[in-house]
Amino acid sequence: AQSVTQLDSHVSVSEGTPVLLRCNYSSSYSPSLFWYVQHPNKGLQLLLKYTSAATLVKGINGFEAEFKKSETSFHLTKPSAHMSDAAEYFCVVSVYNFNKFYFGSGTKLNVKP
Amino acid sequence: DGGITQSPKYLFRKEGQNVTLSCEQNLNHDAMYWYRQDPGQGLRLIYYSQIVNDFQKGDIAEGYSVSREKKESFPLTVTSAQKNPTAFYLCASGKRELDTGELFFGEGSRLTVL
Repeated sequence: AQSVTQLDSHVSVSEGTPVLLRCNYSSSYSPSLFWYVQHPNKGLQLLLKYTSAATLVKGINGFEAEFKKSETSFHLTKPSAHMSDAAEYFCVVSVYNFNKFYFGSGTKLNVKP
Repeated sequence: DGGITQSPKYLFRKEGQNVTLSCEQNLNHDAMYWYRQDPGQGLRLIYYSQIVNDFQKGDIAEGYSVSREKKESFPLTVTSAQKNPTAFYLCASGKRELDTGELFFGEGSRLTVL
């Protein structure tokens, strides 16, 4: 079975400080993993994805994530938060060849001036 | 520009009425999906379609219906049988291929039942 757990429902950081959003997954197969961002009343935009190539994945807007199979984690990081990063972030797992996607419950990132 | 268009963006419905949410994509994707989003619950899959004239129920299909008569279009009808339809609805599409690609999302439709 496949599942995703986002360990924090809310994260608050100050502008210019690092961001860490945590995600653990469970998958019976080799997973593809994604991070999406959602601004209020908008659709989801892809930040980055892991599909069995390099374990350190770089995405848009300075975000990156590292796939750690031994820890079943795919945490999202950014060295320096910007006010525009304030949004909700979703970790997603997909199973090879099944075309089904499993969403975490989301982490709301607040960035303080 | 290629993308997914959902309409209407906001919709109000009286209890007992059916409403249809539109989803159109010009990305030439085979697969299309409907998700429901409620605060603090992430996204839940309502229906998905991997090819024209075929679709499957997702995790919360009760009270909803879909059709897939054209590759570009995947409308969702929220019927009066849906007990709690007030929510944000997101349509997505993706390539149907072995190496799983990402989903592309529309801007969403917010349905409020009065």
